Amino acid sequence: DVKVTQSSRYLVKRTGEKVFLECVQDMDHENMFWYRQDPGLGLRLIYFSYDVKMKEKGDIPEGYSVSREKKERFSLILESASTNQTSMYLCASVGAGSRATYEQYFGPGTRLTVT
Amino acid sequence: AQTVTQSQPEMSVQEAETVTLSCTYDTSENNYYLFWYKQPPSRQMILVIRQEAYKQQNATENRFSVNFQKAAKSFSLKISDSQLGDTAMYFCAFVSYDAGNMLTFGGGTRLMVKP
Repeated sequence: DVKVTQSSRYLVKRTGEKVFLECVQDMDHENMFWYRQDPGLGLRLIYFSYDVKMKEKGDIPEGYSVSREKKERFSLILESASTNQTSMYLCASVGAGSRATYEQYFGPGTRLTVT
Repeated sequence: AQTVTQSQPEMSVQEAETVTLSCTYDTSENNYYLFWYKQPPSRQMILVIRQEAYKQQNATENRFSVNFQKAAKSFSLKISDSQLGDTAMYFCAFVSYDAGNMLTFGGGTRLMVKP
């Protein structure tokens, strides 16, 4: 079974802190994604990566950055956390090329509260 | 750009009854996939059912089936014999073959199954 794990289920940070959210997948997937989930807005794509050291902006990249140094690991960074970044953050992965089914596999999510 | 709309923010159904969740989408693409994902309370998002646009036959997975109307750009999910474990957020999602695995999600429908 595909497994996508996230470093924390719940996180509380103060305004201005630098926040790291980590995601690890064990299926050798090329593509990894970070989403933000807010009530009524569904999931919105923050950043995605299609290969090591490669990244592309999604729909709402402002205030975020990402890092992908190893294929299995994709990190989301909030350089200076703000209260409007309080949200649920979901990581997902999917294979590419001949293995692509377009089905994304999700981690359990990190509920981040910025006070 | 593609958009996905779920017009029912919340729904409820009695256990053992049937419920239908609505989803419409807008795209100029011809080759794409549609998905329904389920997110139980405090649990991981999982795929419920997938439909490829070129297939005319509606997808079914046990108690879950879809009504795919390509011309109308409609993709509803029917849950038969509803069970308490079906209580969850349900998200409709779209991806085109050319989108690089990038999903577009609807805003979600919160389904409550009542005993």
